[in-house]
Amino acid sequence: GENVEQHPSTLSVQEGDSAVIKCTYSDSASNYFPWYKQELGKGPQLIIDIRSNVGEKKDQRIAVTLNKTAKHFSLHITETQPEDSAVYFCAADLWRTDKLIFGTGTRLQVFP
Amino acid sequence: DSGVTQTPKHLITATGQRVTLRCSPRSGDLSVYWYQQSLDQGLQFLIQYYNGEERAKGNILERFSAQQFPDLHSELNLSSLELGDSALYFCASSGAPSSYNEQFFGPGTRLTVL
Repeated sequence: GENVEQHPSTLSVQEGDSAVIKCTYSDSASNYFPWYKQELGKGPQLIIDIRSNVGEKKDQRIAVTLNKTAKHFSLHITETQPEDSAVYFCAADLWRTDKLIFGTGTRLQVFP
Repeated sequence: DSGVTQTPKHLITATGQRVTLRCSPRSGDLSVYWYQQSLDQGLQFLIQYYNGEERAKGNILERFSAQQFPDLHSELNLSSLELGDSALYFCASSGAPSSYNEQFFGPGTRLTVL
């Protein structure tokens, strides 16, 4: 079946450094790629998404890049802060369905 | 606050029992999705309803069922509970039957089966 691979599973960075999380998807017809942040005890929150007609999207300190040829997309967080510590999930849509296939998550820890 | 509400927040029950989880989607959203998240696991899609009709099924056990009511709230019924059913259950909602729509997640229900 279709799947989304996400790496790394854990990431520790110093406050102020950058963090990069990478995902690879298998459905070449996928067109929508959201990223979710899940804080402890809370539901996943959509933080940024990208559609297949663009290669990059930025929103303040976060950005997402998409390489459709290689079927991978990445989340970039610059100037990390302790409040960025959370689990991040990538996802890709399954063509002709409403389903999102989620990656396995990355636990990001930002140390002061 | 996503606008999606889920009740109860916590649920503790015994093996063999049956429970019902409730979800109210964002105002105007027609689709409701249910997900299961076990400890340190990802989000497993269970089932989706759109405007009262089942639209897609994922890895949902036969012991589990769901429905969406005319007011668009949804309920997930879990029966003959087993220890392994202990997990966080999330619902999400979106605006239309399109894979381009963002899914907004509720705060989840933590189910503990003893």
